[in-house]
Amino acid sequence: SQKIEQNSEALNIQEGKTATLTCNYTNYSPAYLQWYRQDPGRGPVFLLLIRENEKEKRKERLKVTFDTTLKQSLFHITASQPADSATYLCAPSGGANNLFFGTGTRLTVIP
Amino acid sequence: GAVVSQHPSRVICKSGTSVKIECRSLDFQATTMFWYRQFPKQSLMLMATSNEGSKATYEQGVEKDKFLINHASLTLSTLTVTSAHPEDSSFYICSASYGLAYNEQFFGPGTRLTVL
Repeated sequence: SQKIEQNSEALNIQEGKTATLTCNYTNYSPAYLQWYRQDPGRGPVFLLLIRENEKEKRKERLKVTFDTTLKQSLFHITASQPADSATYLCAPSGGANNLFFGTGTRLTVIP
Repeated sequence: GAVVSQHPSRVICKSGTSVKIECRSLDFQATTMFWYRQFPKQSLMLMATSNEGSKATYEQGVEKDKFLINHASLTLSTLTVTSAHPEDSSFYICSASYGLAYNEQFFGPGTRLTVL
């Protein structure tokens, strides 16, 4: 069955630095991959979607890459701010309706 | 736009009782709604997918007789946890989509269920 792993459960970085989060998947080939942000006690909020034929996608301070050979996506937040502190979830998808989420990485940006 | 609400936000009930959670898409018609469950410090686990007017499709290991899903309209889906037990205590989150090719889902704020 498909397996989705995010590099670490928690990541602490200094304000202003670039945060890099990793999402690895096995046992399937997603047509696209989504990243979500989840704050404690709240539902996830959609951030970015990248398709299998796209290498990189940017939105303001966010950048996502998608390497279908490595079966990996990297999520970068540049010039990180304390307000970026949250749990980030990746969700590769094969094109059907369903989304299956990774384990999440809890990011803390230290002022 | 694309706002999804859930009610109630928190519920505490006694073991053996049934609890109904509502999920509404406020400003769009949702062709598909999803129900997830999230235990502390774990990721979201998809429970079931429902389309308006159709029976829900449950993920493996989710008891359809225990978690009743009704999707009566394009803006409302309900999840009823029947004969709830303490192990059903969790954070239940719904989401809705309206048929975008790449299925962006809009999530509700979640419902915290505590079964005593």
